[in-house]
Amino acid sequence: DTAVSQTPKYLVTQMGNDKSIKCEQNLGHDTMYWYKQDSKKFLKIMFSYNNKELIINETVPNRFSPKSPDKAHLNLHINSLELGDSAVYFCASSTGPNQPQHFGDGTRLSIL
Amino acid sequence: QKEVEQNSGPLSVPEGAIASLNCTYSDRVSQSFFWYRQYSGKSPELIMSIYSNGDKEDGRFTAQLNKASQYVSLLIRDSQPSDSATYLCAASNFGNEKLTFGTGTRLTIIP
Repeated sequence: DTAVSQTPKYLVTQMGNDKSIKCEQNLGHDTMYWYKQDSKKFLKIMFSYNNKELIINETVPNRFSPKSPDKAHLNLHINSLELGDSAVYFCASSTGPNQPQHFGDGTRLSIL
Repeated sequence: QKEVEQNSGPLSVPEGAIASLNCTYSDRVSQSFFWYRQYSGKSPELIMSIYSNGDKEDGRFTAQLNKASQYVSLLIRDSQPSDSATYLCAASNFGNEKLTFGTGTRLTIIP
């Protein structure tokens, strides 16, 4: 059983399109996260939700909008995709803020 | 100044030797520290967490924390080729509720 699962695994699309990435965790965790890992492998927090409530919103373009329908799901919608959005996006979850985080397999987004 | 700093490497260690990975952090109120291992093309995987000064051992891995020096390290004993990966150090504090990652150290174990 996959603990943190993301779909799709790969996403190839053109500039200007809108796309979504879905994340689900079956660990019973209260906190979920979205990270962006760029080509230099730097892992940077984008958003965090604790029990469906937004608790971290880093300096991210407002083209990125997270949505947590329940505490087991955290989706990421991206409008008007740009070349600089190409990266691997990781979802993660933990029992709470500051606790060890468990990562999904990542979604590799490539913008043509 | 980066909040969490690591030597990017690559760090090459002969098989069977001890690999020593180091990390410094700038936020004095950081309280929780984590080491993650990331194989190429894979997701980060938690290896160790440490919250108190001193050493914490788990199998071949030992994490060391020195809050006075703002320094965290990871020792890997009896290094194996399967230990070749990028190791990410992360720190958090109860004030800002987020993990800040270092840029990672690429470790290569030479058979």
